[in-house]
Amino acid sequence: GAGVSQSPRYKVAKRGQDVALRCDPISGHVSLFWYQQALGQGPEFLTYFQNEAQLDKSGLPSDRFFAERPEGSVSTLKIQRTQQEDSAVYLCASLPGTSGREGYEQYFGPGTRLTVT
Amino acid sequence: GDSVTQMEGPVTLSEEAFLTINCTYTATGYPSLFWYVQYPGEGLQLLLKATKADDKGSNKGFEATYRKETTSFHLEKGSVQVSDSAVYFCALSRTALIFGKGTTLSVSS
Repeated sequence: GAGVSQSPRYKVAKRGQDVALRCDPISGHVSLFWYQQALGQGPEFLTYFQNEAQLDKSGLPSDRFFAERPEGSVSTLKIQRTQQEDSAVYLCASLPGTSGREGYEQYFGPGTRLTVT
Repeated sequence: GDSVTQMEGPVTLSEEAFLTINCTYTATGYPSLFWYVQYPGEGLQLLLKATKADDKGSNKGFEATYRKETTSFHLEKGSVQVSDSAVYFCALSRTALIFGKGTTLSVSS
């Protein structure tokens, strides 16, 4: 079956440009997470959706970051006025349950590598 | 707040050597614990997990035991292979996963 897919896989943006990163979770998965992984670091939480509701956005680093999941499936992470510090791999993960507390596996996409020049 | 600390890499081993990657955590309560692996050019995938104290997770010859006394979840494998070369991440779960920084393992034949 299809896993989590993300597009584009690579994105180069000039400083100040807006970018949109797409995540297609596994069909039927209720929960969707976005993470940011800087070079040489572990992934860090950005935001969490349960169906179309954004339940936690505490990890978004600034108001330039915005995420949506309007129909409870595909999600888009938008970064406005990109800065060099936004350069990272952006990972999307989904899981069938309603949160990670029960120890359910999160299924990760391949990530989008964003480079801001 | 909650956090995960894992040993710095890179770890370089010869094939068939014994592997230990240390992982300790700080958290309230008893979160579930995970090891994820990232092979070159691939996405993160679950290697093993443990959901309560004293549970042992195992997969592909790797093992880790949830030790609440020492707040640890060390990853071990008795005999590594070249194909085990990857980056290994220890993580705990709240609503989202909280990851360590990752440990790069390189196995040579």
